[in-house]
Amino acid sequence: NAGVTQTPKFQVLKTGQSMTLQCAQDMNHNSMYWYRQDPGMGLRLIYYSASEGTTDKGEVPNGYNVSRLNKREFSLRLESAAPSQTSVYFCAISASLGYGYTFGSGTRLTVV
Amino acid sequence: TQLLEQSPQFLSIQEGENLTVYCNSSSVFSSLQWYRQEPGEGPVLLVTVVTGGEVKKLKRLTFQFGDARKDSSLHITAAQPGDTGLYLCAGVKGAQKLVFGQGTRLTINP
Repeated sequence: NAGVTQTPKFQVLKTGQSMTLQCAQDMNHNSMYWYRQDPGMGLRLIYYSASEGTTDKGEVPNGYNVSRLNKREFSLRLESAAPSQTSVYFCAISASLGYGYTFGSGTRLTVV
Repeated sequence: TQLLEQSPQFLSIQEGENLTVYCNSSSVFSSLQWYRQEPGEGPVLLVTVVTGGEVKKLKRLTFQFGDARKDSSLHITAAQPGDTGLYLCAGVKGAQKLVFGQGTRLTINP
């Protein structure tokens, strides 16, 4: 989706491996988010960053870490991947907390 | 427990029919948003409703926010195959973060 770029688009990991999902935006928005989407569960918030320099836990933060590198970039790291982390991960941005979101096109992660 | 419950979870109808999707909660939201998601893509914002009782129209789509700001509905008139997708409602509550419903998967058959 225009404005939010996620990499990679697909990834297969073995249990215990680590990886970082990257998210970059060119809309100069303050707030950035990481969600995971699982069948029948909707979108669940992992971590968010209300503004540059701040990060906070969401609904399902266990097993993940984040870094708000600068205003444009917000990365999600899996230190030791588990099969339960198999999911589609979305990065989203908004002008401010509570405003409409713009989503990236997602990263489909499989942990075997 | 889902904070926002959407119904139905799945809906398959013929082109030209009308339909309504519901988004319900026991909680009050300061605003509510509707998104549509197509396979392999992220959700795309359709509308935000803010005031209790508010009605917004987007071509053949009509969105309503309940008077008590606990529920919302999406009505589609004369559905077309291009309306096929996953429809998500999301409420803003506490600390200004969005909470999503589990979605309604809509299929419009030609």
